[in-house]
Amino acid sequence: GQNIDQPTEMTATEGAIVQINCTYQTSGFNGLFWYQQHAGEAPTFLSYNVLDGLEEKGRFSSFLSRSKGYSYLLLKELQMKDSASYLCAVIGDDYKLSFGAGTTVTVRA
Amino acid sequence: GAVVSQHPSRVICKSGTSVKIECRSLDFQATTMFWYRQFPKKSLMLMATSNEGSKATYEQGVEKDKFLINHASLTLSTLTVTSAHPEDSSFYICSATRDRVAYEQYFGPGTRLTVT
Repeated sequence: GQNIDQPTEMTATEGAIVQINCTYQTSGFNGLFWYQQHAGEAPTFLSYNVLDGLEEKGRFSSFLSRSKGYSYLLLKELQMKDSASYLCAVIGDDYKLSFGAGTTVTVRA
Repeated sequence: GAVVSQHPSRVICKSGTSVKIECRSLDFQATTMFWYRQFPKKSLMLMATSNEGSKATYEQGVEKDKFLINHASLTLSTLTVTSAHPEDSSFYICSATRDRVAYEQYFGPGTRLTVT
């Protein structure tokens, strides 16, 4: 089976930086995704990592270490609209997405 | 971009009735569609994988006779919850992809089902 762990909640101040960690233990590995999900809405794609290293896209960056089974999503210059749930998801050797439970980020003024 | 729609966005039904949820890919042909279920503050759980023209593949623990999936065309998949019970109340989300594996999935906006 697939096991994906991420913190349940995080709180940060507007303009600050927050790092959401994700560790995974899966049968095989074919890539890791980060999604943003606002309450009652569908997930929206943020990033995809399949090779080790850092992928930067504007205010959001994602890092992957396959040997450690570890990824993080870095959110910089936090804005109020960034308050949402952030989902870590992995494609294993079954070629299906397995999701973590999500990290709820609350941005405070 | 790729757009996936779901209808209805919200539905309330009585116990024992059936409800159908539609998932459409609006601007691309979806070889594969996935159906997920999400409980409050919980992860998305894959229910089934639907390929056009073939029977859906259900995940372990998902009753195929209760959750009927039909992928009639390359742009439409439907999920029918039969003989609904209050415990079926949940947020149902579909996604679509151009290939047969899970890369680059485009998610629909979800359907909130409440069974009274």
